[in-house]
Amino acid sequence: GAGVSQSPSNKVTEKGKDVELRCDPISGHTALYWYRQSLGQGLEFLIYFQGNSAPDKSGLPSDRFSAERTGGSVSTLTIQRTQQEDSAVYLCASTSRLGVGGARLFFGEGSRLTVL
Amino acid sequence: AQTVTQSQPEMSVQEAETVTLSCTYDTSESDYYLFWYKQPPSRQMILVIRQEAYKQQNATENRFSVNFQKAAKSFSLKISDSQLGDAAMYFCAYRSALNSGGSNYKLTFGKGTLLTVNP
Repeated sequence: GAGVSQSPSNKVTEKGKDVELRCDPISGHTALYWYRQSLGQGLEFLIYFQGNSAPDKSGLPSDRFSAERTGGSVSTLTIQRTQQEDSAVYLCASTSRLGVGGARLFFGEGSRLTVL
Repeated sequence: AQTVTQSQPEMSVQEAETVTLSCTYDTSESDYYLFWYKQPPSRQMILVIRQEAYKQQNATENRFSVNFQKAAKSFSLKISDSQLGDAAMYFCAYRSALNSGGSNYKLTFGKGTLLTVNP
């Protein structure tokens, strides 16, 4: 596609339910990031995928969070047993020129998650 | 670990005037990259400008320029001739230039500065 696509744009769920957030990166981009943006906070790194390498999961806040990237393209971020503190905007970004340090990240419009 | 600090939660500027957004960072590395990203109400982050730490010359992109002070670990963004479309949240970000593992590809962001442009 022309840009990074994320779905759903908005998601309201009840505490304790599981949610899945999807990211479709720009075609050909080998690197994909998930960030979380909470109200009044900056962007918090969650996870990074690069090609077929093992992902960097160092930013996942708890074992309720997991992510996968199938076929080196689409990624799904799953949050199990959601809590109210999980309410945030989840941003996905991709890039192709990772070998170039100043590589620009292309962001999606994010998925706003509200946990009631 | 690197940290990025934006000390101005909110700033405002009159249309056509100039505004400077502040950013400081903390790192023990000598080679790295710095970025300013803009996030309008649509939520989509857009790269405004980037700077390589090894370059002494300040980066410039049209009405946007930076004042990079490496010794002071300061990286401010100047917006000249402000336009209504410049109103957004601005984030400063840091990325290591080390090439020794996936974690070095993380961007560390500040908490952002909300810029309002008054007509």
